[in-house]
Amino acid sequence: RKEVEQDPGPFNVPEGATVAFNCTYSNSASQSFFWYRQDCRKEPKLLMSVYSSGNEDGRFTAQLNRASQYISLLIRDSKLSDSATYLCVVNPGGGADGLTFGKGTHLIIQP
Amino acid sequence: GEEVAQTPKHLVRGEGQKAKLYCAPIKGHSYVFWYQQVLKNEFKFLISFQNENVFDETGMPKERFSAKCLPNSPCSLEIQATKLEDSAVYFCASSQSIAGNGYTFGSGTRLTVV
Repeated sequence: RKEVEQDPGPFNVPEGATVAFNCTYSNSASQSFFWYRQDCRKEPKLLMSVYSSGNEDGRFTAQLNRASQYISLLIRDSKLSDSATYLCVVNPGGGADGLTFGKGTHLIIQP
Repeated sequence: GEEVAQTPKHLVRGEGQKAKLYCAPIKGHSYVFWYQQVLKNEFKFLISFQNENVFDETGMPKERFSAKCLPNSPCSLEIQATKLEDSAVYFCASSQSIAGNGYTFGSGTRLTVV
């Protein structure tokens, strides 16, 4: 089983719609969780950290379910500029190898 | 500076040639990480440094890959005798801590081995 699993998509979503995707992680001792965004082979950029209590940043909401070991990202009122690959990223426990990346979910917002 | 600076942006090498990539972390960041991203979006951890000391090199193909972070110099990743499968984008990231909150990535070096 891969350490961090995501549906690669692509998710084709009309502009203005709400879209949600999840990822699962295998290491129950993982300590911190993130969503990164990557545009077209550019560098990943931190979108948001994910907390057990859930957190919201504008149109984006992230949630963590430790019991089921999954993380979700919800995007409301999607914009064309949201088209990107969304990487689910886990820090297994402060180890020296840092972050473990999922393969990413490709999101395409259509006009 | 406030960005992780990677050079060169693109590098083309013939099979068997040497490739050397550079990364200047953000000033004040103690940790540096190198990742390799191949076509299918898979990020593979290569090596991490805490200041100039190797922290974890379990991801490095040791026969041909080496890396250094020396004081007052950019960090470097060197590949001796490149192979076709080394073609990838190599990202460097730096962070103040190991916890993962503040990883900043450089824009990457795209290595093409022909």
